[in-house]
Formats: sequence, structure tokens, C-alpha cells
Amino acid sequence: SQQGEEDPQALSIQEGENATMNCSYKTSINNLQWYRQNSGRGLVHLILIRSNEREKHSGRLRVTLDTSKKSSSLLITASRAADTASYFCATDAETTDSWGKLQFGAGTQVVVTP
Amino acid sequence: NAGVMQNPRHLVRRRGQEARLRCSPMKGHSHVYWYRQLPEEGLKFMVYLQKENIIDESGMPKERFSAEFPKEGPSILRIQQVVRGDSAAYFCASSALRDSGANVLTFGAGSRLTVL
Repeated sequence: SQQGEEDPQALSIQEGENATMNCSYKTSINNLQWYRQNSGRGLVHLILIRSNEREKHSGRLRVTLDTSKKSSSLLITASRAADTASYFCATDAETTDSWGKLQFGAGTQVVVTP
Repeated sequence: NAGVMQNPRHLVRRRGQEARLRCSPMKGHSHVYWYRQLPEEGLKFMVYLQKENIIDESGMPKERFSAEFPKEGPSILRIQQVVRGDSAAYFCASSALRDSGANVLTFGAGSRLTVL
């Protein structure tokens, strides 16, 4: 079963606007990561937030983590057409039998129009 | 550093044939993962390997699918007697030794399998 579930499934915005997407998960985690996938390409790691962190920034990206609600959000500020992609959250579960593998959600498709 | 290299990028097979997908991890990475992605869906974990060892194959179908990561050469994902439902993008990822509890994956561009 999917560990992470992103919301919304799709998001269409104009350049300059902010894009916010959410991720919910089910089990305890060591960390949560966000990846981006451009159409027809592999995934690219964007940012990682550990279970003991609440917020993290990287350039125009801001990630929050609420372990009590088992949820995370990714905010892209001042979006650009080049931000058009699918965004996935991935959880690194805490249990030893999950060591080494990430569980991905179904993704949020973001379209940024000029 | 060429990153994670996968080949072929596109593979077309008829039902009943075999598909072999290859993955060379990023230099310095000893952990290899295979994921499958169906259209409009996220990635589903298949298998996690280190050199000459399968660490976790809990996501692999019980039949027709196998994976290896030999001492020399790339990791191979092998699908025997392919069926139309095997059509998907197969992504390989690699990572360095787990450090400080973080496992960040570097992905290849994927191999897209089409079964006719």
C-alpha cells in the first residue's frame, strides 16, 4: 500500500504564484523527502526533512513536517514555468524491515503557465 | 560522474518474451533499488540489492521477476514471459552507505517497457 498520499493530485498556477502541496503518511518515519519528476524523466531529490525537524528551506522551497498529524507540505514560492513537473513525497520508515527503501506517494502534477 | 545509467531507455517486447533491464549505479554507491511506475502513478518499490546480495525483495512479484547485482557489472532486472501488464517505466536508483539515518536516492532516467 502507498505510504504517502499527495494532495492535490493536480495543480495549475501562473508564474509568480506560490504552489503548495501536501503529503500524508501512515507509519512512523525517520525522514520524509520530496522529489521532482519532469515528464519522461527520472526523479530528482529536492529536499529532506528529518523526523525531529519541523521546517526546512532550500532556495524557493519550504517544507514543513508535522509528525503528530503524519503530514508534510511543500511550498514552492514565486513559481516559474520550469517548475512544471510532478512532485512526490517519499518516506523512509522507522521500522528495521523497511530499511533501505522509500515509499512514494502518487504525486502532485504541477503546471505553471507563463 | 555520469550518475545512474540505465539501458535500454525503451524496450518493446511481445508477450512471452524476456526483458532485461540494466542499471549501473552512481560511482561510489553500493546500494541499488528498482522501482516500477505505472502511468499517472507513483513509484512502487520492487527490490533492494547490494553487491551479490538481495537485501529486500518484498515488492517483487513472486513469479517471472528476478534481480541481481553481481560483483562485476551492472544490476539486472529480468522479467520472463512478459505480459501486457508488465508495461511500465522501471527506474533504478542508487545510494551511498546509509549515513545519519538518511537514505537519499539518485535515480536513473528509467527504462520504458512496452509489451505488445
